[in-house]
Amino acid sequence: SQQGEEDPQALSIQEGENATMNCSYKTSINNLQWYRQNSGRGLVHLILIRSNEREKHSGRLRVTLDTSKKSSSLLITASRAADTASYFCATDNTDKLIFGTGTRLQVFP
Amino acid sequence: DTEVTQTPKHLVMGMTNKKSLKCEQHMGHRAMYWYKQKAKKPPELMFVYSYEKLSINESVPSRFSPECPNSSLLNLHLHALQPEDSALYLCASSQRAVNEQFFGPGTRLTVL
Repeated sequence: SQQGEEDPQALSIQEGENATMNCSYKTSINNLQWYRQNSGRGLVHLILIRSNEREKHSGRLRVTLDTSKKSSSLLITASRAADTASYFCATDNTDKLIFGTGTRLQVFP
Repeated sequence: DTEVTQTPKHLVMGMTNKKSLKCEQHMGHRAMYWYKQKAKKPPELMFVYSYEKLSINESVPSRFSPECPNSSLLNLHLHALQPEDSALYLCASSQRAVNEQFFGPGTRLTVL
């Protein structure tokens, strides 16, 4: 399977803490994307990082990419209860995206 | 308008029924997708329409058939489904394949 693996599968933290999720993938990529999904809803695009980039920021989000290790991480700083959701990385494969297994984040008030 | 709409939101059908799921976007995107998602799993790609060319995930059974009447609409026709087809069906669109994808809210399908 070309599917990426995410780690941890589940993460529980208190509001204000930082949350870090990791994604490992198997094939070479052009870009890697992160998406958020609230329970039973559609996915929302968070950030895209290209294969020639090492780090990217968007608000409270920080994404890193290490193509030599075929891995990426998503850091959410100063988490809020509203950040509770599942987070998926997605890598491109010719004309489609392959989603990772996901991390379920729970942020307690 | 940066919205992808899907109808219906919920659908319950018997194994002998024929039904259709509908998806619409008005962002001028040239790629549209159907995904199937089971509980606590990532979305699995079923079909891609990119520049009016259809790509199929070969593991998708023939009881699912996509239709793209025009560049803004994407339908998924369902026939003789099985209970294991119960899932959240997500539609998405993007400017080009592998760009940022915009997802609809999904159709929750239950097959009895």
